[in-house]
Amino acid sequence: EADIYQTPRYLVIGTGKKITLECSQTMGHDKMYWYQQDPGMELHLIHYSYGVNSTEKGDLSSESTVSRIRTEHFPLTLESARPSHTSQYLCASSEYFKGTSGELFFGEGSRLTVL
Amino acid sequence: AQRVTQPEKLLSVFKGAPVELKCNYSYSGSPELFWYVQYSRQRLQLLLRHISRESIKGFTADLNKGETSFHLKKPFAQEEDSAMYYCALSGRGSNFGNEKLTFGTGTRLTIIP
Repeated sequence: EADIYQTPRYLVIGTGKKITLECSQTMGHDKMYWYQQDPGMELHLIHYSYGVNSTEKGDLSSESTVSRIRTEHFPLTLESARPSHTSQYLCASSEYFKGTSGELFFGEGSRLTVL
Repeated sequence: AQRVTQPEKLLSVFKGAPVELKCNYSYSGSPELFWYVQYSRQRLQLLLRHISRESIKGFTADLNKGETSFHLKKPFAQEEDSAMYYCALSGRGSNFGNEKLTFGTGTRLTIIP
């Protein structure tokens, strides 16, 4: 079944640890995104990708990095987690259409807590 | 720069009463507007987009360029409408293919039985 998957759903980790949030989609979409959302706040785009080997910074500056080696996979990495990174991270994908953002399909999210 | 404003964080409406969730935007070019919804324990998903001009689950939204608004309306609220609603804007920049979605802070709608 076509879907978008995020793991882990919840992660509690100590300061200084390296973490990778996984995102995979079986929808055949070219564009993928990472949004960050603090409780009660708007979603902020932190990274996006048009396709393999394409990664772009979003509107909100983030210390995280992403890679896109395979079409279906778009992991997000924090080399050294800090309490300020505590947030919910949402992965999304969409088809590529010029002139429109297209409908975004979201994963269930990864809630990160850094102690 | 593109910006979306949803002035109400919380909105409570009685079942059967009309609903209006407000959304205002700021964008110098030609915008494309969306409403996304997140029901309890479900993912964020598209509710409707202005170019479709269709009614979804009884909801409609009209783009008013003069007032830079895209308010979401439903004439008779139902209990299953309780959810978090996000207005979003995609700017069609000169660099086509670079469109990004900007979200508002969201409005939590509660339908009172």
